Amino acid sequence: EIVLTQSPATLSLSPGERATLSCRASQSVSIFLAWYQQKLGQPPRLLIYDASKRATGIPARFSGSGSGTDFTLTISSLEPEDFAVYYCQHRNNWPPLFGQGTKVEI
Amino acid sequence: EVQLLESGGGLVQPGGSLRLSCAASGFIFSSYGMTWVRQAPGKGLEWVSDISGSADTTHYADSVKGRFTVSRDNSKNTLYMQLNILRAEDTAVYYCAREMYSGYEYYYDYWGQGTLVTVSS
Repeated sequence: EIVLTQSPATLSLSPGERATLSCRASQSVSIFLAWYQQKLGQPPRLLIYDASKRATGIPARFSGSGSGTDFTLTISSLEPEDFAVYYCQHRNNWPPLFGQGTKVEI
Repeated sequence: EVQLLESGGGLVQPGGSLRLSCAASGFIFSSYGMTWVRQAPGKGLEWVSDISGSADTTHYADSVKGRFTVSRDNSKNTLYMQLNILRAEDTAVYYCAREMYSGYEYYYDYWGQGTLVTVSS
């Protein structure tokens, strides 16, 4: 199975700052990777799919990049509502595992 | 408006069973694959199982294979998960989610609010 490792575990930033989150796969997943945002007490929300495509209604400050084994989620300027946990997930094969998450905190 | 509403969670003893349901509305249910994802208290997301729109293809995580069974009734717009031989480590919020096709792969574009399953004596 393909394991995803996210870093850092926690990212401490202020509103207006740029956030860069990393997701590394144990083997190539091509571009078949998604990013989800989860706020406390809420279900996850799809942000990015196919590594770089924004889901419907997702603000342009969220962007994804990468292919193969190394992927990045960038939030260009943090808004107060962006403080949450972010998960990557691959869809290259089964099981479609999630990374362990990165918490973006103030 | 797409809506997914899970139900059926609760407290069950180890070795017991539960059936979770996910009632879907606002889209053509039979046209979409569906998935179950769970989240143990304070932990990350764990993919559990998925099922195709026609129910002819299913997949399971190794941790639940042989104990959980996913199914769907397209006439009732409802997804199910039968949970048998429950263990303490199955304690989690269980989410159902709809799969959207990107042109390449499937991702989860709508999620329910989840239903809590607690396995404890």
